[in-house]
Amino acid sequence: DAMVIQNPRYQVTQFGKPVTLSCSQTLNHNVMYWYQQKSSQAPKLLFHYYDKDFNNEADTPDNFQSRRPNTSFCFLDIRSPGLGDAAMYLCATSRDIAGENEKLFFGSGTQLSVL
Amino acid sequence: AQKITQTQPGMFVQEKEAVTLDCTYDTSDPSYGLFWYKQPSSGEMIFLIYQGSYDQQNATEGRYSLNFQKARKSANLVISASQLGDSAMYFCASQGAQKLVFGQGTRLTINP
Repeated sequence: DAMVIQNPRYQVTQFGKPVTLSCSQTLNHNVMYWYQQKSSQAPKLLFHYYDKDFNNEADTPDNFQSRRPNTSFCFLDIRSPGLGDAAMYLCATSRDIAGENEKLFFGSGTQLSVL
Repeated sequence: AQKITQTQPGMFVQEKEAVTLDCTYDTSDPSYGLFWYKQPSSGEMIFLIYQGSYDQQNATEGRYSLNFQKARKSANLVISASQLGDSAMYFCASQGAQKLVFGQGTRLTINP
């Protein structure tokens, strides 16, 4: 049974048209992460939530925002998608933050295309 | 800062053979963890194995083992008796203070 669920699996949007990707978890984990993975590249952390505390990576563009209305759900909002934002977006959770042995649980990802 | 280097963009192996995927790391954290994830074409990142920096023994999980050489800063993944279903991208990652950092990955193809 899927524990980290991402919808939709594929998302197509138009250049400049806002888009929202969703992630839900059944693990009751405190931390939720969003990673961007471009083709043939390593996943890159955009930001994470520890409970309600939002932590942005220094090099994440302002175009990317996130919301976490409750423990189970987290959303990635791209305000004005550009062609360079086409990528796989991976959501992940962990029980706690930091700690060298904290394992992340990933969803299946949302593949975003920008036309 | 953490950096993971995977020098093999792609590898081709015959079914049932063992395969070693290379990973070297660089970190300033005194304590850290090393992970291997598998990413099939479906996209999901699947956890395979974990090694703590202070663990005395190499980690093993079924057909997966991690050859950890701390002095050389390497954490190679060994897959024994490879299967067709092992074909996927494999990512090495390190985690110290708050952040999991991935390498560029190795695409493994198992030939029948």
